[in-house]
Amino acid sequence: ETGVTQSPTHLIKTRGQQVTLRCSSQSGHNTVSWYQQALGQGPQFIFQYYREEENGRGNFPPRFSGLQFPNYSSELNVNALELDDSALYLCASSPMWGVGGSDEQFFGPGTRLTVL
Amino acid sequence: DQQVKQNSPSLSVQEGRISILNCDYTNSMFDYFLWYKKYPAEGPTFLISISSIKDKNEDGRFTVFLNKSAKHLSLHIVPSQPGDSAVYFCAASGTGANNLFFGTGTRLTVIP
Repeated sequence: ETGVTQSPTHLIKTRGQQVTLRCSSQSGHNTVSWYQQALGQGPQFIFQYYREEENGRGNFPPRFSGLQFPNYSSELNVNALELDDSALYLCASSPMWGVGGSDEQFFGPGTRLTVL
Repeated sequence: DQQVKQNSPSLSVQEGRISILNCDYTNSMFDYFLWYKKYPAEGPTFLISISSIKDKNEDGRFTVFLNKSAKHLSLHIVPSQPGDSAVYFCAASGTGANNLFFGTGTRLTVIP
């Protein structure tokens, strides 16, 4: 069974640029969530995708957007990068979150984004 | 507004002793709680969870206690082992909710 994978591992961008982060969900999982973890903080929910549709969003501006593909892999896009976007971006997959009770989410290793 | 709080940034414990990690929450709608462990350069790994209909859940060396009236939960690790050294995150969610609210983490160091 393949776990959650993310690419790239590290990324350096400059302010104002755009970035795309990628995530492959665990086999059999159709739900992907994205989190931002700033230094010294816990992960913060950005949004979730279920069957290629956005299924909930946290308190992040519209320049954070996403996609989910038919194979349930996902992308996180961030436009007009700001210095405060520097963080670890975590992707988590689950069989189906929030239906019939809750299950744990399986996290990938994350992408470390640095905005200069 | 931090809805899940871990007030101890770090904890050091001798090998073989008990580790107790604490977590408080403010949202009374939370009904499912989880603990995750995170090693450097890895994503958080699920450890143990508890539903609000229970006040205790045990899995091997790990036990989670929930006190709903105090909005407090704790993770007990007995006996602690050096391999338990990691950052531990408490997380919570509500029924039908699709996201987790995390605390800021507690760094546990188990001294051999």
